[in-house]
Amino acid sequence: AQKITQTQPGMFVQEKEAVTLDCTYDTSDQSYGLFWYKQPSSGEMIFLIYQGSYDEQNATEGRYSLNFQKARKSANLVISASQLGDSAMYFCAMREAVYTNFGNEKLTFGTGTRLTIIP
Amino acid sequence: DTEVTQTPKHLVMGMTNKKSLKCEQHMGHRAMYWYKQKAKKPPELMFVYSYEKLSINESVPSRFSPECPNSSLLNLHLHALQPEDSALYLCASSQQDRGSFGETQYFGPGTRLLVL
Repeated sequence: AQKITQTQPGMFVQEKEAVTLDCTYDTSDQSYGLFWYKQPSSGEMIFLIYQGSYDEQNATEGRYSLNFQKARKSANLVISASQLGDSAMYFCAMREAVYTNFGNEKLTFGTGTRLTIIP
Repeated sequence: DTEVTQTPKHLVMGMTNKKSLKCEQHMGHRAMYWYKQKAKKPPELMFVYSYEKLSINESVPSRFSPECPNSSLLNLHLHALQPEDSALYLCASSQQDRGSFGETQYFGPGTRLLVL
């Protein structure tokens, strides 16, 4: 079963509009972390925002906010006032408690959403 | 500074060649990772090193051989690769704070590998 589902393969948004990228997840753990990364065509994965499962407030980082709905297991990324430079692939990812000798390292990615900002 | 560097940026190799990818970070992170990413797909975890010891090997073929000479460096040695191994290889690092779900992995720019 998919642990992270991103249902929007591609989105086109007008510049300066807000955009919501969907992410739903599946876990039986009570403790987990959710991340969003941006990947421009250059290839580098850029960390955007993090939400912990016990965080009561939705995370915000500048123009990025995470709409966390725990009961629905959704962690949507909201980008306000989109810019041309926001055109990229966006990945939602989850860290679960994988117990190894050293801690919890596994990060599971969704299939991504390609966002294109139209001038 | 959250910089992870990778060299080379691009690599073309034949199936009989031996080459190495290099990753470096100076953030004091104690966990380092190799991911493989095919076009239009998410990254797939290959290896994790924690405190310079291999902690996760995701059943990667032996033609990929990781090495962590010290806490700042991570290498991926390549030998007898196949054309289907052509991909973007991403390195990442994180602090390795046991029990912290907010621990962020910081990625390098990747090496684009083409196997002919």
